Amino acid sequence: GAGVSQTPSNKVTEKGKYVELRCDPISGHTALYWYRQSLGQGPEFLIYFQGTGAADDSGLPNDRFFAVRPEGSVSTLKIQRTERGDSAVYLCASSPRQGLNNEQFFGPGTRLTVL
Amino acid sequence: QQQVKQSPQSLIVQKGGISIINCAYENTAFDYFPWYQQFPGKGPALLIAIRPDVSEKKEGRFTISFNKSAKQFSLHIMDSQPGDSATYFCAARGLGGGATNKLIFGTGTLLAVQP
Repeated sequence: GAGVSQTPSNKVTEKGKYVELRCDPISGHTALYWYRQSLGQGPEFLIYFQGTGAADDSGLPNDRFFAVRPEGSVSTLKIQRTERGDSAVYLCASSPRQGLNNEQFFGPGTRLTVL
Repeated sequence: QQQVKQSPQSLIVQKGGISIINCAYENTAFDYFPWYQQFPGKGPALLIAIRPDVSEKKEGRFTISFNKSAKQFSLHIMDSQPGDSATYFCAARGLGGGATNKLIFGTGTLLAVQP
C-alpha cells in the first residue's frame, strides 16, 4: 500500500561526477515517468517507461542522461558528468496503465545539488 | 504549442474566500487537464481533472471550469482554508508519438490562505 518512493531524498555531488537516482513505483503500476522540477517551476517531462522499455525519452536534455527499468518495476535515472545546471528536484511518477485519465502518482523527489 | 501558461504566479486569499487560478494552452490535441497540489518537500498530488468534452467538473470545494473554444481552464477553490496553502499546478496531457501520457505542467501558483 506504499506510494512511490525515491532514494536518496537528497544528493549533493561535485561537478563532473556520476549520480544514480532510484525510483520504486507503486506495486503493479506498469507505467513509470521521470520529471525534473527546477526551483519555482513546474515539473518537466524527461522519460516514460511502459514496462521495461522506454516508450518516450524525448524529454531527456542530452546524452548525459539515461534511465533504465530492467525488470519493469524499479527504475534508475543516471546522470553522467554532472553540471551545475542539473541541480533540481527529480520526480518519479507511476500509473496503473497507459490510457485515458490515468492518474500519475508522484514520489517525494530527489533533490540533486551539483556543486 | 506544447506550453501551458498559468496565472497568477502567487495568490493571497482570506479564509472562506474563493481562490481562482487560470491556465491557457495552445495545442488543441491536448485531451486531459489535471490540477496538482504540491506541499513543500512533497511530490505533486492530483486534485481534480477534466476532459475537454466537459465544461465543468466539481469535487467538493474544488471546481474546474473548461472553455474549449478559448483554450482556457481554471481552478476554483471555494471556502478556501489555511490548509489549502500550497503550490498548484495545472497540466495538460501532451500527445507524443504513441500517446505517452506525459504531462505538460504550468509554472505553478503559490496560494496562501490567511486565517
